[in-house]
Amino acid sequence: KQEVTQIPAALSVPEGENLVLNCSFTDSAIYNLQWFRQDPGKGLTSLLLIQSSQREQTSGRLNASLDKSSGRSTLYIAASQPGDSATYLCAGEGYSGAGSYQLTFGKGTKLSVIP
Amino acid sequence: DAGITQSPRHKVTETGTPVTLRCHQTENHRYMYWYRQDPGHGLRLIHYSYGVKDTDKGEVSDGYSVSRSKTEDFLLTLESATSSQTSVYFCAIRTGATGELFFGEGSRLTVL
Repeated sequence: KQEVTQIPAALSVPEGENLVLNCSFTDSAIYNLQWFRQDPGKGLTSLLLIQSSQREQTSGRLNASLDKSSGRSTLYIAASQPGDSATYLCAGEGYSGAGSYQLTFGKGTKLSVIP
Repeated sequence: DAGITQSPRHKVTETGTPVTLRCHQTENHRYMYWYRQDPGHGLRLIHYSYGVKDTDKGEVSDGYSVSRSKTEDFLLTLESATSSQTSVYFCAIRTGATGELFFGEGSRLTVL
């Protein structure tokens, strides 16, 4: 069974700082790895998807990497802004046959960017 | 925006009553999922569907059933709601091209 862990559970940084959020998973036979953002009381917004054949993806100030051999993914946020304050979730997708894909989520890292 | 609509968005009900949550999509994606999100547990998969009338159980399926009679609708039913089912429920779809998941806005259910 896939288990996904995110450390730290909470992080507070001053505005402008570059930061890294960590995600680890137990099953290296991961299919896709996806990062999400969730604002309080809201749904999940997809940030980046790293497909199984890829090692990283970039979107604006965000860069996500995937290392299947070590069971790790990182989300790098450059020049953080107060608007980046949210909970960030990573999720690993497994394939269990018969066309069945399932995502397992970490519990998230709550990021606060202080002006 | 992947065209996902959840209804109702908020519901308060009493223990023992049946509840049905609806997830509607407009883009004919094959895969649809129901998750619940609780403090301390994160997001957990309840049931998922990989086609019309094709469904399977997830991690926390006890007390829930689902139905998918047409591609665009995936229904989650609590046959007899309990207080432990108080939660926020999220529907998601998986796009066929990349496998990216998109989520609905959530349905907040309170069982008294």
